[in-house]
This record gives sequence, structure tokens and C-alpha cells, in this order.
Amino acid sequence: SQTIHQWPATLVQPVGSPLSLECTVEGTSNPNLYWYRQAAGRGLQLLFYSVGIGQISSEVPQNLSASRPQDRQFILSSKKLLLSDSGFYLCAWSGGLAGGGQFFGPGTRLTVL
Amino acid sequence: KQEVTQIPAALSVPEGENLVLNCSFTDSAIYNLQWFRQDPGKGLTSLLLIQSSQREQTSGRLNASLDKSSGRSTLYIAASQPGDSATYLCAVRISGYSTLTFGKGTMLLVSP
Repeated sequence: SQTIHQWPATLVQPVGSPLSLECTVEGTSNPNLYWYRQAAGRGLQLLFYSVGIGQISSEVPQNLSASRPQDRQFILSSKKLLLSDSGFYLCAWSGGLAGGGQFFGPGTRLTVL
Repeated sequence: KQEVTQIPAALSVPEGENLVLNCSFTDSAIYNLQWFRQDPGKGLTSLLLIQSSQREQTSGRLNASLDKSSGRSTLYIAASQPGDSATYLCAVRISGYSTLTFGKGTMLLVSP
């Protein structure tokens, strides 16, 4: 069966510091991968998605970036965090076949102070 | 642009009640619809996935229906339990290769 991992689970960072969040998927190949942010009262916001290694689509202009160095690895990064980057970051995957659902990881709680 | 609305935003019921959560979407040309559950501080758990050609899906005490023409889906929870307390989100996909559009969720509290 497929599993999705995210780390770290929680993170507290000062404003202006760099960020690296990692997501890995097991038990499948060629998944579509997604990064979402969930802020209080604002619902789920899609940040990036990837249909293959090195292929990244950005949904929202911001100081975050994403990379996919391996088939089942998705990384969310920032060079300098802002207070507004605080939130709950969720990674998700879906199969390459059309019609499948999306499946989410446990999330990373990021607090920027 | 597809928009997804969930009503009510919050719901509180006593244990044992049957309840219905509503989801509406503005563009009826969807590919599929997915219901999720989210516990506080946790990720999303997929509950049910309904393809556009289907009218309903069932899993245990959960039943989800889809009416594409009216742009609506309902999640029916039978004999609710305190363990059902969570936020329930619906999301639609408009094509086989598109991303999901989420509603803001319904926060459910089931009291013992």
C-alpha cells in the first residue's frame, strides 16, 4: 500500500531564516505531487504541483519554491521566511491515471516568529 | 472558475443522530468529487471518491451522493458517534489532469 511521509512535524523558525520541508511517497511510482498550505480561516491553498521529476507548477506567487529531485520526493523551500508563511503545510499525491483521488500526508506545522 | 461551498460551516449534534453535510460547486462539468475528514492538527483522510458517472458511494456508516446537474453533493453520516467529530471537506476535480478545488469545510461536533 502507499504511504506518504512529511518532516518535520513541527517547526519554529525566526523571520528571515531559510526553510526546507520534505515529503516522500512510498509504494507507488510516477505520482503527481502537491504542496498545500492551510491557514486559519482560509481553507486549503494549493501552492505547487508536480507531474514528474524537475517539473513544477506554481499556483501562487510568493517567496516559496518547490523542487522534485527524485520521483517520490517533493521539497518545499524558502530562502527567507516571512511572518505570513506561518501555517500548516500539507503534501499530497495522486496516481498518474486519470480519475484517482488525492491522498495527504500528516502535515508540518510551521510557526514563524 | 470553479468555486466550492460547504454548508453549514459548523454543526453540533447529539450522539446517535443521522446527519447530512452539504457541498455545492459552481461548474457542473466535474471529473470527480472527493470527501475528506480532518482531525485537529492532522492531515486529511480520504473518505469517499465519486466519479462523475456515479451517483453515490458508500463506506460503512457514510454515504456520499452526487448530483452533477444541480452542482451538489451530500455526505450522509448514520448513527453519529463522538469519534465522528472532525472537519469534513469536499473537493472537486474538473478534469482528469487538473488539481482539486476545496470547500472550506464543515466542523462537526458530536456530543455523547
